Amino acid sequence: ETGVTQSPTHLIKTRGQQVTLRCSSQSGHNTVSWYQQALGQGPQFIFQYYREEENGRGNFPPRFSGLQFPNYSSELNVNALELDDSALYLCASSSGGTGFSGNTIYFGEGSWLTVV
Amino acid sequence: AQSVTQPDIHITVSEGASLELRCNYSYGATPYLFWYVQSPGQGLQLLLKYFSGDTLVQGIKGFEAEFKRSQSSFNLRKPSVHWSDAAEYFCAVSSGEYGNKLVFGAGTILRVKS
Repeated sequence: ETGVTQSPTHLIKTRGQQVTLRCSSQSGHNTVSWYQQALGQGPQFIFQYYREEENGRGNFPPRFSGLQFPNYSSELNVNALELDDSALYLCASSSGGTGFSGNTIYFGEGSWLTVV
Repeated sequence: AQSVTQPDIHITVSEGASLELRCNYSYGATPYLFWYVQSPGQGLQLLLKYFSGDTLVQGIKGFEAEFKRSQSSFNLRKPSVHWSDAAEYFCAVSSGEYGNKLVFGAGTILRVKS
């Protein structure tokens, strides 16, 4: 039990639609990030949020966007869904801030997205 | 750019046998290194991490890993595997650029036979 909860656990969307995934961080964690894990691959960093602002992004297009709320919970939004967006989306939280602090990063169980 | 290679996609070991999972990283400076485990239906759980100091680090569940700078490796070991260790294992590296940015390998699936 990591204290990071994600919803929904599974969902199916049609190509071209939009999806919102939600994450509730562990209490006291001010930094949240999102990862995409395609089948048979390791997780890939999408972006990081700290104090409600994005402060780091991986190699993902702008149709991947996010929000962080004052209570540190977060959303991942993906517009214009493509078949290749089918993956497990993981939320991770820590109390580290923008830079690396050495604090443990805790992952949620993920949201499985299938695009048909 | 950082990268992580886990050469073994699948490994099968007998229960009670020793285990070594390989990890090689590519990064210019001293990296921050991690091993995570992912069981079906569960998120990633941190097994251990290396930042500096003693190159042999101990983790949870009886796992240990050794950092070898000359070989750019951070292999995970366990002296005696239990059936409950069957899972997928990921090695990861951080440059410290962003707090939560980790670069993961593709993972190694561990099967334990009784």
